[in-house]
Amino acid sequence: GAVVSQHPSRVICKSGTSVKIECRSLDFQATTMFWYRQFPKKSLMLMATSNEGSKATYEQGVEKDKFLINHASLTLSTLTVTSAHPEDSSFYICSAVLKYEQYFGPGTRLTVT
Amino acid sequence: AQSVTQLDSHVSVSEGTPVLLRCNYSSSYSPSLFWYVQHPNKGLQLLLKYTSAATLVKGINGFEAEFKKSETSFHLTKPSAHMSDAAEYFCVVSDPYSGGYQKVTFGTGTKLQVIP
Repeated sequence: GAVVSQHPSRVICKSGTSVKIECRSLDFQATTMFWYRQFPKKSLMLMATSNEGSKATYEQGVEKDKFLINHASLTLSTLTVTSAHPEDSSFYICSAVLKYEQYFGPGTRLTVT
Repeated sequence: AQSVTQLDSHVSVSEGTPVLLRCNYSSSYSPSLFWYVQHPNKGLQLLLKYTSAATLVKGINGFEAEFKKSETSFHLTKPSAHMSDAAEYFCVVSDPYSGGYQKVTFGTGTKLQVIP
């Protein structure tokens, strides 16, 4: 149990376009999901907390207009990177909370050319 | 406030020898502590977790960790390294009562290299 999926696993997009990443809890409902970003050879940095039915809470330094988060249902949160630039290239990982524990997705590798 | 320090960014061991990955934490509350492993271009896999039960925690793939409150440590060990253990390891601490969910803090990671 407690499986979290992400789609796509890899995506390449052109600079200036937008890309959407989905995070799904497959066998449980999650009112809270988190989005992390991992820079090369670095640790995971929390970007935002996604709450079902309300606005996301962004960490300091994360542009909320650039990284749009929508938690439309209890099993789905989406992260949209708008007007992507090469510096947005990274590994994005989501997690979903069940009984006060976080379960992580497999990650999405975004490359902006 | 909570924080976690992984003392070694790289650890290199020979296959069949013991593994020790060090982690120290700081937390205002009784923490939950986790170790995750990440293989190249893969997501995170939970190795083990400590949640105020037994201080010696056994995880998957032969790994274990001991919670030592007096030393604020949660070091990860394995008696005999296998080639497949080569990966990045993250120590994670959480505040159990932050806003109704566990907001976690990741260590900077330790890259384990296993030499044949």
